[in-house]
This record gives sequence, structure tokens and C-alpha cells, in this order.
Amino acid sequence: SQTIHQWPATLVQPVGSPLSLECTVEGTSNPNLYWYRQAAGRGLQLLFYSVGIGQISSEVPQNLSASRPQDRQFILSSKKLLLSDSGFYLCAWHAGNYGYTFGSGTRLTVV
Amino acid sequence: LAKTTQPISMDSYEGQEVNITCSHNNIATNDYITWYQQFPSQGPRFIIQGYKTKVTNEVASLFIPADRKSSTLSLPRVSLSDTAVYYCLATSENTGFQKLVFGTGTRLLVSP
Repeated sequence: SQTIHQWPATLVQPVGSPLSLECTVEGTSNPNLYWYRQAAGRGLQLLFYSVGIGQISSEVPQNLSASRPQDRQFILSSKKLLLSDSGFYLCAWHAGNYGYTFGSGTRLTVV
Repeated sequence: LAKTTQPISMDSYEGQEVNITCSHNNIATNDYITWYQQFPSQGPRFIIQGYKTKVTNEVASLFIPADRKSSTLSLPRVSLSDTAVYYCLATSENTGFQKLVFGTGTRLLVSP
């Protein structure tokens, strides 16, 4: 069966520090992968999506970047975190007719 | 994909039936209506999808009238554990790439 792993679950980082969040998918090949961010009490904001290795599309200009070094690996990064980068980050992959499957999320607090 | 509109919040009591409506006036011919459920500190979870008429599974029922401009998610006999945010989305029948746009959803609070 297909599963999606996301880590870490929580993260507290100082302003100006780098960030790396990793997402991996198992049980499927060539998945469409997505990074979303959810601010407290808000909806989900699509940040990046990828249809294949090395293919990244950005939805919102920001302090973040994404990479897809392997077929089933999707990484969200930042060189220098801002306070406004705090939020709940979710990785997802498209599971065909049954829509998206989301990871368990990473709660990032920038202090 | 069509924009959807749903109430910001709803309150209910345990054991009641809850109906959450969603408006999608500009839904495309090939679009489906998909509902997700999100608990605090978790990612959204697919609960039901439909194109027309009625779909039922172990979690909920989805009613879509013939004009498909709206839909209603029905949760029978809710419990405290049904407290969550529910998102209504128009989704393409395309099984390949598509970007889903999640709004703020409907925050359902179930009380004892």
C-alpha cells in the first residue's frame, strides 16, 4: 500500500536559521507531490508542486524553496527563516481518483 | 477548478445529523465534488467524492442535485470525534496532476 512519511513532526528554529523538511512516499512511482502550509486557523496554501524528479513549480513567491532529488522524495528548504515562516507544513501526493493523501505534517515555530 | 463556498462554522450536539452545504456555481462538466476532513495538527483526510445524485460510505453521505451547483455532506449521528474542519473541493476527473485549492473549510464543533 502507498504511504507518505514526513518529518520532523515539530520544529522550533531561530530566525535566520536554515530549514530542511523531508517527505518521502512509498508504494508508488512517479507521484505528483505537493507542499502546503497552513497558518493557525487558516486554510491550506499551496507552496510547491512537482510532477517529476527535478521538476518544481512554485505557487507563491517566498522565502522557501523545494527540491525533488529522487522520484519519491520531496524536500522543502529555506536558507534563512523568517518569523512569518511559522506554520503547519504538509506534504501530499495525488492518489488518483481518491484525491490527495497527506502526510502527518510538521509544525514549525520560528522564534 | 471551480471555486467553492461553504459556511465558516457549524455547531451540533452528539447524536444529531449534520448537513454541511457547499456552493459551486461554476463547476465544470468533468469536475467531481470531493470532501476532506481535518483534525487539529493532522493533514486533511479524504472522506467522500461524488459527481451526481447520492454517494454513501461508512463515514458520510454526499448529495449532489441534478444542476450540480451545490452539494451537501451529511454526517449521521455525529459524535465528539467528528469535531473537525471539513473542506469541499471541486476536483478534476483527471487522475494525473492537478492542483487542489483548499479554502478555510467549515469548522464543525460537536458538543456533548
